[in-house]
Amino acid sequence: QVQLVESGGGVVQPGRSLRLSCAASGFTFSSYSMHWVRQAPGTGLGWVAVISDDGKNKYYADSVRGRFTISRDNSKNTLYLQMNSLRTEDTAVYYCARDGYSGYVFDCWGQGALVTVSS
Amino acid sequence: DIQMTQSPSTLSASVGDRVTITCRASQSLSNWLAWYQQKPGKAPKLLIYRASTLESGVPSRFSGSGSGTEFTLTISSLQPDDFATYYCQQYNNFGPGTKVDIK
Repeated sequence: QVQLVESGGGVVQPGRSLRLSCAASGFTFSSYSMHWVRQAPGTGLGWVAVISDDGKNKYYADSVRGRFTISRDNSKNTLYLQMNSLRTEDTAVYYCARDGYSGYVFDCWGQGALVTVSS
Repeated sequence: DIQMTQSPSTLSASVGDRVTITCRASQSLSNWLAWYQQKPGKAPKLLIYRASTLESGVPSRFSGSGSGTEFTLTISSLQPDDFATYYCQQYNNFGPGTKVDIK
């Protein structure tokens, strides 16, 4: 079945870096745009970034542009989020999500990876 | 950026009730709106997309309607499994959520 599994979360100090991975299975990964969405503790959902199916096009939320980089390796069926210059306000559960209907409709989600930015 | 609002923010209801949640956008969205259900500690789940298309496997008691700037999610007969938080979303904008809890 369709599955997305995130890894790489943890506790990191402000200003440091962390890379999240999202392993996809059960579908043709290279045919779908993929997103990262985050949720700070006790709050709602916030879109972070998107990458096109071929990896050529990438877009970011204003709050992370210039600090975060989304990428993918279609040969490994894996999505990545490189997070640099982390801030306390980046503390959140990060979800990878599949764009199932070519228009920011997230039809499949991972279980989430908790990133805690704290000194 | 388009601003999304939802009402109510919290809704107390009983099993069997008909429940309606409203989502409003600051600009017209045509019909490009999705609804998600999220339970504590779990990832969101897609319920409806393109305002009224039911995602495969979602019970038919869920329905969506609307276009332009006002949309609704309706649960025709609330079931115990439906107590959760519901979010509307258009492109990179999510609504703040509506929590449906037990009356």
